[in-house]
Amino acid sequence: LAKTTQPISMDSYEGQEVNITCSHNNIATNDYITWYQQFPSQGPRFIIQGYKTKVTNEVASLFIPADRKSSTLSLPRVSLSDTAVYYCLVGDAPYNQGGKLIFGQGTELSVKP
Amino acid sequence: EAGVTQFPSHSVIEKGQTVTLRCDPISGHDNLYWYRRVMGKEIKFLLHFVKESKQDESGMPNNRFLAERTGGTYSTLKVQPAELEDSGVYFCASSQFSTGERQETQYFGPGTRLLVL
Repeated sequence: LAKTTQPISMDSYEGQEVNITCSHNNIATNDYITWYQQFPSQGPRFIIQGYKTKVTNEVASLFIPADRKSSTLSLPRVSLSDTAVYYCLVGDAPYNQGGKLIFGQGTELSVKP
Repeated sequence: EAGVTQFPSHSVIEKGQTVTLRCDPISGHDNLYWYRRVMGKEIKFLLHFVKESKQDESGMPNNRFLAERTGGTYSTLKVQPAELEDSGVYFCASSQFSTGERQETQYFGPGTRLLVL
């Protein structure tokens, strides 16, 4: 199983760009990298997923270098409502039947006014 | 479209009692997962259903936990008898049956907060 390492906490201010880096040195060839967001008293929510290079959606961007041993979640111009815990996950899934998600401790992002 | 729902949202029981948690996945989702977070720890996988069949129950802590998904729709997780260390938040997630090219997105419910006294 690919283990992930990410900072325990980060602080930012409204309007700033936030980059959270995750290390996954033992990522397998078939693994995808997925980020989830969790607000207090809610379940985790999918943000973005990628395999290599760069992926962008309406919420965030995900940068994955060629060796795939790390990835960076980029949140542009954060607001107070982006305060949450962000989890980096690397898949442990047979291709065609889904699979369990392996959560680490996550990064607690605090956005201040 | 309704998301994953869980019932109850909170439960407070005494040690030795029985509690049953329910999860209603998104309609049409074949995959259903149970996870839990105990105090101060990471979210941990418990088990995975594909329709009504248990695909992976490697995360179930012991035989006091029983999960069912009769008919392949909603699922229940029963803890009997409950112990103090069972306190935590129990999450349910569901996903569509993957077409095989990528790890599918799992949609989580809000969780059930269980407190065993």
